[in-house]
Amino acid sequence: DIQMTQSPSSLSASVGDRVTITCRASQNINNYLNWYQQKTGRAPKLLIYAASRLQRGVPSRFSGRGSGTDFTLTISSLQAEDFATYFCQQSLSTPTFGQGTRLEIQ
Amino acid sequence: QVQLQESGPGLVKPSETLSLTCNVSGDSMSGFYWNWLRQSAGKGLEWIGRLYTSGTTVYNPSFQSRVTMSVDMSKNQFSLKLASVTAADSAVYYCARSPSPLGGDGFFSFWGQGTLVTVSS
Repeated sequence: DIQMTQSPSSLSASVGDRVTITCRASQNINNYLNWYQQKTGRAPKLLIYAASRLQRGVPSRFSGRGSGTDFTLTISSLQAEDFATYFCQQSLSTPTFGQGTRLEIQ
Repeated sequence: QVQLQESGPGLVKPSETLSLTCNVSGDSMSGFYWNWLRQSAGKGLEWIGRLYTSGTTVYNPSFQSRVTMSVDMSKNQFSLKLASVTAADSAVYYCARSPSPLGGDGFFSFWGQGTLVTVSS
C-alpha cells in the first residue's frame, strides 16, 4: 500500500491566518491526490481533487498544489467554519488516507 | 443531489458477520462506483472496497478474505458483509460514491452520514 503522511498532526491558528498542510506519499502518485475536510460527528467532505482542482461549491480560499510525492493544502484566510480535521487521500492504487491534521482555534 | 444513508445493526458479536446497507436517493446508481469505508481512532480512514453497478467488485487486500459487497439496482441500494468480526472491526462505517475507481477522478464525492458499529459480546 502507498503510505500517506501528513504534517503537522495538529495546528493552532486564528481567523484570518493563512495555513498550509502538507501530505507526502511513499511513492510517486502523479497528481492523484485528494483533500477532505471533516467536522466532528460528520462525514468527510471533498475539497480538492487531482491535487489542485476545487470541488464545486468549495470556497476559493482553499487551494491545493503538488505532484509526485509532495502536496499541500492551503487555506488563504481562515474562517471560523474552517476549524476541522483535514485528510489527504491517494487514488493511484488501493485508496489510502493520511492520518489527518487537526486545525484548532488559537 | 444524491444522498446516501447507511443502515444496519449497531452491535455485532465477535466472530459473527457485520451487515450494512446503503440506500441511494436523488440520482441513479448507474455509471458510478459505490464504496464502503470505515474510520476508527486506531486505524483512521480505511477503504474497504467498491463495486460497480454491473456487480463487479474490488476489495482492499486487507479485507479480501472476509468481505462481500453486492448491489440491488431495483432498490437503489448496495450492501456490505464483513465476516468473522473482532473488536478491531469496531468503527464508523461509511458508504460513498466515486465517479471513477482510480486516477484523477478516484475521489469520494458523496458520503453517507456514517453508522457506528461496535463489536462486542
